[in-house]
Amino acid sequence: LAKTTQPISMDSYEGQEVNITCSHNNIATNDYITWYQQFPSQGPRFIIQGYKTKVTNEVASLFIPADRKSSTLSLPRVSLSDTAVYYCLVESSNTGKLIFGQGTTLQVKP
Amino acid sequence: EAQVTQNPRYLITVTGKKLTVTCSQNMNHEYMSWYRQDPGLGLRQIYYSMNVEVTDKGDVPEGYKVSRKEKRNFPLILESPSPNQTSLYFCASSLFSGSWSSYEQYFGPGTRLTVT
Repeated sequence: LAKTTQPISMDSYEGQEVNITCSHNNIATNDYITWYQQFPSQGPRFIIQGYKTKVTNEVASLFIPADRKSSTLSLPRVSLSDTAVYYCLVESSNTGKLIFGQGTTLQVKP
Repeated sequence: EAQVTQNPRYLITVTGKKLTVTCSQNMNHEYMSWYRQDPGLGLRQIYYSMNVEVTDKGDVPEGYKVSRKEKRNFPLILESPSPNQTSLYFCASSLFSGSWSSYEQYFGPGTRLTVT
């Protein structure tokens, strides 16, 4: 199962675009890339998931290059409420074993 | 309302006293999983279940047991808790078709366990 590597922390200001990159060098053909957001003392919440190229939903975009060895979560125009821990994980479509990693703590400043 | 519920939300116990943390989901999900979260270590998977009567070890299964007798319930059992099992525990569920696809997980609110 592919291990992921993310920056431990990032700072940003309100209104800026934030890009968080995740490395997953050993990703397998059947694996999906998923990002979760977690606020203190709450369970993680699904943000976005993709397999290749670009995926966009109402809250974020996910960019995955052709080799799929990394991915970038893009949060447009962040606000203070986006301050949270963001987890990248690689999910196999045919096993239930998941590895979350340490996550990236994003601090949004006014 | 679609949700994952955990009970209890907070528990303080003593070493060696068996305990069970319940997890229930009302979304008819096949897949359920337990995680523990510790400072600096992120979320680590304890056990997971792909369907009724099917369970498997995650990354940190030692000291824990699970069972999946019904689709909606996935209790976590600590037969003889120790202080190193003091942690924040999350249960999660998702659809799972077993084919070429992956699904988002829905997490419960967490159970904060302290073992003294």
